[in-house]
Amino acid sequence: AQSVTQLGSHVSVSEGALVLLRCNYSSSVPPYLFWYVQYPNQGLQLLLKYTTGATLVKGINGFEAEFKKSETSFHLTKPSAHMSDAAEYFCAVSKAAGNKLTFGGGTRVLVKP
Amino acid sequence: SQTIHQWPATLVQPVGSPLSLECTVEGTSNPNLYWYRQAAGRGLQLLFYSVGIGQISSEVPQNLSASRPQDRQFILSSKKLLLSDSGFYLCAWNLNGQVAFFGQGTRLTVV
Repeated sequence: AQSVTQLGSHVSVSEGALVLLRCNYSSSVPPYLFWYVQYPNQGLQLLLKYTTGATLVKGINGFEAEFKKSETSFHLTKPSAHMSDAAEYFCAVSKAAGNKLTFGGGTRVLVKP
Repeated sequence: SQTIHQWPATLVQPVGSPLSLECTVEGTSNPNLYWYRQAAGRGLQLLFYSVGIGQISSEVPQNLSASRPQDRQFILSSKKLLLSDSGFYLCAWNLNGQVAFFGQGTRLTVV
């Protein structure tokens, strides 16, 4: 079975500071990994994904994530936080050729001016 | 292009009443379909997923059921709602291992 753990249900950062959201996964087969963002009362939107190839993945809104197989991690970063980054972020994993998409518990980001 | 429709956007229902939430997908065939629930402060919980018509996998024993009567239609139901069924319900679809696309969600309040 696959699972996802997001460390920290809430993260507070100052505007302009580094954003780091941690995600660790377990999967018995090579995983596909995703980060999604959710704004209040809306569905989830894809930020970025890793399937194969380059382990450093760049997404929308200046976010990027690095797949580290040895650490079973897929942490999300952004060098400089913006007020509009305040949202909830979800890491997700699926099997490369499988069906079910499994999400972590989410991390709510608060950006302080 | 593919689109996903989920309705209603908000719903207030009394305890003990039935529930039916509908989700339809356009522009793709044989998608995987999902129902998730977000309760306050509890993240995203997978309730049901389906890989084909009539094929439903339940992730969590509960007061809800799901059906997939057509390839691109996914319905979440309950015969009698409980207070604990309140939450934000999200429908999603994807193709094997690929990006999932979400509906805009239904805010259900059971009173």
